[in-house]
Amino acid sequence: ETGVTQTPRHLVMGMTNKKSLKCEQHLGHNAMYWYKQSAKKPLELMFVYSLEERVENNSVPSRFSPECPNSSHLFLHLHTLQPEDSALYLCASSPGTADYEQYFGPGTRLTVT
Amino acid sequence: GENVEQHPSTLSVQEGDSAVIKCTYSDSASNYFPWYKQELGKGPQLIIDIRSNVGEKKDQRIAVTLNKTAKHFSLHITETQPEDSAVYFCAAPGAGSYQLTFGKGTKLSVIP
Repeated sequence: ETGVTQTPRHLVMGMTNKKSLKCEQHLGHNAMYWYKQSAKKPLELMFVYSLEERVENNSVPSRFSPECPNSSHLFLHLHTLQPEDSALYLCASSPGTADYEQYFGPGTRLTVT
Repeated sequence: GENVEQHPSTLSVQEGDSAVIKCTYSDSASNYFPWYKQELGKGPQLIIDIRSNVGEKKDQRIAVTLNKTAKHFSLHITETQPEDSAVYFCAAPGAGSYQLTFGKGTKLSVIP
């Protein structure tokens, strides 16, 4: 595998479920990001990790919980989501947080019922 | 924080014609301006970027121009092909921030 991969590609979950999204980057980068992409809205940055340490949290509700066990893997744990959380969740990585060139994965299409 | 405006929101061109997408930004300290292409069912792909020390950069059929005085930058695609059809996003970083602020996107349709 090359680049940035995300699993699953599609996820349907009920509001009471708990699920996790996974991201893996094969680029040797040190920074990883979670974005939310909703219809007709700009990409919204959710979290930034640098060398496994969270460096930015953009006022994201606590029902989204990120985890970065190492610089290659990033998770987004989901629980008690709302229908308005349905969106495309994108993971990205960059060489470092001071390097703005971000490379995106294909995303996970999440539907909350 | 940074504010990025992108125009137009949709653009249709005939195959072989040129396409131009424009973005403005608010933070005069911004120094990096990427453009991303997102095809259906895929994540955004970085296609070209420019830093504030140059005014223009070209890569085959695509080019980006930057006017720091006016705080705007543009994507130019020449000799468009059907495979250029996608949503294009511009972005700019805010000063002292890890964040890239993205424009709302332009849906480009190239008509064969």
